[in-house]
Amino acid sequence: GAVVSQHPSWVICKSGTSVKIECRSLDFQATTMFWYRQFPKQSLMLMATSNEGSKATYEQGVEKDKFLINHASLTLSTLTVTSAHPEDSSFYICSARGRGRGEQYFGPGTRLTVT
Amino acid sequence: AQKVTQAQTEISVVEKEDVTLDCVYETRDTTYYLFWYKQPPSGELVFLIRRNSFDEQNEISGRYSWNFQKSTSSFNFTITASQVVDSAVYFCALNAGGTSYGKLTFGQGTILTVHP
Repeated sequence: GAVVSQHPSWVICKSGTSVKIECRSLDFQATTMFWYRQFPKQSLMLMATSNEGSKATYEQGVEKDKFLINHASLTLSTLTVTSAHPEDSSFYICSARGRGRGEQYFGPGTRLTVT
Repeated sequence: AQKVTQAQTEISVVEKEDVTLDCVYETRDTTYYLFWYKQPPSGELVFLIRRNSFDEQNEISGRYSWNFQKSTSSFNFTITASQVVDSAVYFCALNAGGTSYGKLTFGQGTILTVHP
């Protein structure tokens, strides 16, 4: 149990375009989802926390107008990178936590390359 | 503020050697959780262990063992008789309470390479 999927697993886009990444909890209801970013050979950095039905809370230094997060249902959160630039190229990982659970379950990640 | 420090950036060992990955954390919260994750080349994080701040018992799971010492704010991870498949990046992480509840703070990661 507790499976989290991400789609797509990798994406290449041109500079200036927008990209949407989906994060789904497949067998549980995720009341909270987290989005992380990981640059090559670096650690995971939390970008934002989203609770179902609420606006996301962004970490300091993360542009909320650039990284749009929507958590419209208990099984789906989306991250949209708007007007992507090469410096946004990174590995994006989501995690999900169910109601009353302390454990976070991680998705497999999405590798974004902006050319 | 929460902080996790993994002082070892890279470790290289030969198969069958034992290896210990260090993790030191900082938090003002009295209730917190500590984690270890493995990240193989595929990128997917593999959960290894979770420990809460009130349980200082050491744990062993097969070739893996963990030493949690609150007195030194450390949560070290030992792999006994390492294997090539253990090669990966290992992250220690902290989930504290208060306003940071639910958020995971990761260490910088330790790249472990096990040579045949």
